[in-house]
Amino acid sequence: EPEVTQTPSHQVTQMGQEVILRCVPISNHLYFYWYRQILGQKVEFLVSFYNNEISEKSEIFDDQFSVERPDGSNFTLKIRSTKLEDSAMYFCASRSGLNTEAFFGQGTRLTVV
Amino acid sequence: KQEVTQIPAALSVPEGENLVLNCSFTDSAIYNLQWFRQDPGKGLTSLLLIQSSQREQTSGRLNASLDKSSGRSTLYIAASQPGDSATYLCAVSTGGFKTIFGAGTRLFVKA
Repeated sequence: EPEVTQTPSHQVTQMGQEVILRCVPISNHLYFYWYRQILGQKVEFLVSFYNNEISEKSEIFDDQFSVERPDGSNFTLKIRSTKLEDSAMYFCASRSGLNTEAFFGQGTRLTVV
Repeated sequence: KQEVTQIPAALSVPEGENLVLNCSFTDSAIYNLQWFRQDPGKGLTSLLLIQSSQREQTSGRLNASLDKSSGRSTLYIAASQPGDSATYLCAVSTGGFKTIFGAGTRLFVKA
């Protein structure tokens, strides 16, 4: 069964460093998303991406964040200068249409020290 | 601003019991509502999606209903099993591009 894959599963980085989280969405999907979940808290929407551009972003998604679909398969989230409060589980999701199921990856646990 | 609330926050039931999880949302202008399961430290597994024009969806022992006018959805789990133990999340799509999640209901099914 097709699935969304995320790498790495766990990343530890020093405060101020740049990190890139990678995702391979399901191949025929058109809509791509990043979410985060701080330990013990709700899953929070970060950004949606469609037709090679950001379609919506939350207040969390400030200038330190960027997304890219560099080729036909990968979807990346970059955090330019990580802060301690960026420590969270980051989930990538994709869907084939706006009114279809969203499928999530297993997440990347980011720890900023 | 859309807010999603799930009640109860936690639930413990004996194996075999039927149970209902509740989700409420403040803005009825939703696109769809999706129920997920999350195991500790893991990703989200999609269970059911109900489009705004639908009243319910069924998958195996799961049945989800949607009442848009009252801002409520329920997830019914029949004949619960220990393997159903997980956190169940309700998520509302407010136009397709953005999804708002509830805090979840932690379910524990005792053998």
